[in-house]
Amino acid sequence: DAKTTQPNSMESNEEEPVHLPCNHSTISGTDYIHWYRQLPSQGPEYVIHGLTSNVNNRMASLAIAEDRKSSTLILHRATLRDAAVYYCILRHNAGGTSYGKLTFGQGTILTVHP
Amino acid sequence: DAGVTQSPTHLIKTRGQQVTLRCSPKSGHDTVSWYQQALGQGPQFIFQYYEEEERQRGNFPDRFSGHQFPNYSSELNVNALLLGDSALYLCASSLGLRPSYEQYFGPGTRLTVT
Repeated sequence: DAKTTQPNSMESNEEEPVHLPCNHSTISGTDYIHWYRQLPSQGPEYVIHGLTSNVNNRMASLAIAEDRKSSTLILHRATLRDAAVYYCILRHNAGGTSYGKLTFGQGTILTVHP
Repeated sequence: DAGVTQSPTHLIKTRGQQVTLRCSPKSGHDTVSWYQQALGQGPQFIFQYYEEEERQRGNFPDRFSGHQFPNYSSELNVNALLLGDSALYLCASSLGLRPSYEQYFGPGTRLTVT
């Protein structure tokens, strides 16, 4: 599986934008980029995913570099409830199916200050 | 709409015993994956079930086995428990196997082996 690299931790102030980076220089052409987050004492929660184009949803935006070797998760206005571990994950596409395996790394611990 | 549910919430077992954990997927989902999360680590993929068959397996010994029922619910069984099996066990469900599909996680079962 292609690997991802994320900073161990980041800090932000409430109501400010947060840009969480992820490097995936060995990504293959059909790997999907997924982001999950895990709040304290909860299971991981899906945030967003993309393939080549930037994506927006109600939770966040995903900016994907043109060469796809890096991506950035953008939280437009951080709240205290966004404090969590954020995981950047590549999901391999093998002939249209990947059998669902998610390979989690260490993730980025996001601290949000009031 | 009920999300992914897991039972029990907490469990304490003794070394050498056997344990069964249960998972009900999100309504409409047919695929269940199991993950083990040690303290301070990201979740590690154990295996995935689809159409009542194990489709993919992570690097876990044969002491870890599972089953999926016709109603898509699933069980994780661990035999001959070791102290190192103490962890949070997470169940995730999805609709099919495609890498573009998000997985929904349950709150987990906290297993303590003494």
